[in-house]
Amino acid sequence: AQKVTQAQTEISVVEKEDVTLDCVYETRDTTYYLFWYKQPPSGELVFLIRRNSFDEQNEISGRYSWNFQKSTSSFNFTITASQVVDSAVYFCALRGGSNTGGFKTIFGAGTRLFVKA
Amino acid sequence: GAGVSQSPRYKVAKRGQDVALRCDPISGHVSLFWYQQALGQGPEFLTYFQNEAQLDKSGLPSDRFFAERPEGSVSTLKIQRTQQEDSAVYLCASSPIPLGGTQYFGPGTRLLVL
Repeated sequence: AQKVTQAQTEISVVEKEDVTLDCVYETRDTTYYLFWYKQPPSGELVFLIRRNSFDEQNEISGRYSWNFQKSTSSFNFTITASQVVDSAVYFCALRGGSNTGGFKTIFGAGTRLFVKA
Repeated sequence: GAGVSQSPRYKVAKRGQDVALRCDPISGHVSLFWYQQALGQGPEFLTYFQNEAQLDKSGLPSDRFFAERPEGSVSTLKIQRTQQEDSAVYLCASSPIPLGGTQYFGPGTRLLVL
């Protein structure tokens, strides 16, 4: 079975603080894909990053960075120098290869981030 | 280009009424997904189309839910005899490739069943 766990339900930080959102996943697939999405109050899911299981390179995009570690089945997301506009719900998601997981993408329950001015 | 669009954005239905939700994917996108998102939860997969073929409908909660994509472009999610537990946001996403591709989401249709 595939599963995504985002243990942090809510996080509150003050602007300019760094914050890390945790994501732990479970899958039996050897090939799989991991995603992070942002859902601001407007409700539309915004794609942030996609990572293939065979590419463990960490990635940095501006103030965002991602740490993918297959050994611990984690795909954590760090926002550096947070801003009020970062306030949103963030979802981690997993999609396995079609041989076992079908075409489902499994989403975590989300982490609500509050960034206070 | 235009993103994924969904209509209506809001729908209020009386219990027992049938509803139809429309999704216009990004032009040329092969894959189309429907999700249901209850308040305070992550999206839950309902069904997947590759062009006009419905390849996975394992997430549809009951036989009251039906989806189609007859020409491999626009898709409709139909819910018959709506129940209060069907109240949720229904999200549509499209992807340019069949497997593993990034899914681009529409704004969703918020359904409230009274």
